[in-house]
Amino acid sequence: DVKVTQSSRYLVKRTGEKVFLECVQDMDHENMFWYRQDPGLGLRLIYFSYDVKMKEKGDIPEGYSVSREKKERFSLILESASTNQTSMYLCASSTPGTGELFFGEGSRLTVL
Amino acid sequence: ELKVEQNPLFLSMQEGKNYTIYCNYSTTSDRLYWYRQDPGKSLESLFVLLSNGAVKQEGRLMASLDTKARLSTLHITAAVHDLSATYFCAVDLRDNDYKLSFGAGTTVTVRA
Repeated sequence: DVKVTQSSRYLVKRTGEKVFLECVQDMDHENMFWYRQDPGLGLRLIYFSYDVKMKEKGDIPEGYSVSREKKERFSLILESASTNQTSMYLCASSTPGTGELFFGEGSRLTVL
Repeated sequence: ELKVEQNPLFLSMQEGKNYTIYCNYSTTSDRLYWYRQDPGKSLESLFVLLSNGAVKQEGRLMASLDTKARLSTLHITAAVHDLSATYFCAVDLRDNDYKLSFGAGTTVTVRA
């Protein structure tokens, strides 16, 4: 079975803290993505990567960075968390063949 | 910029009746996806439609794609309570590094 695992389901952080969200997939997919989901705004793409050490900005990259040192792992980093980054973060992976996304369970981040 | 519009955004269904959710998109594409999201959970892939005229069916759900009209429909037959969820369509521009653009989602509630 396809599996995308996000390291933390729920996190509470303080403003200014550095936050790491980790995502691991076991399907040998080239492409990995980070989305955030907010009520009324749908899913918005933050960053994506189509190969190890490669990254591309999505629609809302400001305030975020990413790291992809290994094919199976894609990390999202909030260098200095702010309250407007309180959200549900969804990691996904896909193969170029179909483009179908497989999502992790999500990480709900609250920044106080 | 690719725009993906779903309607309706909210749909109250009566058990046993048939309904349709519409997904319109603004740019040529022949790859469309439907996802389901239960409250507090992540997104689960329902259908992958990869060509004009594609039709996929699973249980009470049937999805179709008309690339000329830039329209996909998700048809629900004889609604039952466990179909209550939010349904998203997403469109893929293959020349856009396989990034998907998502609709806002249709929240479905099935009542007795």
